[in-house]
Amino acid sequence: EAQVTQNPRYLITVTGKKLTVTCSQNMNHEYMSWYRQDPGLGLRQIYYSMNVEVTDKGDVPEGYKVSRKEKRNFPLILESPSPNQTSLYFCASSLRRTNEQFFGPGTRLTVL
Amino acid sequence: QKEVEQNSGPLSVPEGAIASLNCTYSDRGSQSFFWYRQYSGKSPELIMFIYSNGDKEDGRFTAQLNKASQYVSLLIRDSQPSDSATYLCAVRQSGGSNYKLTFGKGTLLTVNP
Repeated sequence: EAQVTQNPRYLITVTGKKLTVTCSQNMNHEYMSWYRQDPGLGLRQIYYSMNVEVTDKGDVPEGYKVSRKEKRNFPLILESPSPNQTSLYFCASSLRRTNEQFFGPGTRLTVL
Repeated sequence: QKEVEQNSGPLSVPEGAIASLNCTYSDRGSQSFFWYRQYSGKSPELIMFIYSNGDKEDGRFTAQLNKASQYVSLLIRDSQPSDSATYLCAVRQSGGSNYKLTFGKGTLLTVNP
């Protein structure tokens, strides 16, 4: 089944404890992106990647890192999480940057 | 800042009626337009995309695009309670290397049995 997967789906952590949210797609998509969704603010892009080893900042990159060492994986790294990073995170992918994006199931992160 | 605007709703329609969802965008050069449906706590799910002026129909859904007015809409015919969700309009901006999708904040649709 063609899909985007994310892990973990739910995470409660404490301020400053490094964490990684994984994202993987099995559709051989070139383009991958991370979003966060907050009430009243909608979906905002954090980082994106147009292909292996090609990543760039979106609208709200502060406090996040990404890497794209393999085409299928695009992990989101929070080196020192803070409470303002409590949010619902979505990974998305598309065949190329101009195609429609498909979303993963989401990761609900709470930083205490 | 390039913006995508939607009425937040809630939009309430009776079962069987036509639901009309609207979206305006500020970037006149935008090339492609997407409608996503999002159930509470779930991920956005693509319903339709449209690139050219006019109407595009897929089952009970019709997307309408008017680039001159910078307006895109989604019509849902014969609305069902299962259509109750938040509908997100997304616009792919012109230019730049990102071809970023900018999302509206969504319209909450409630279909009453």
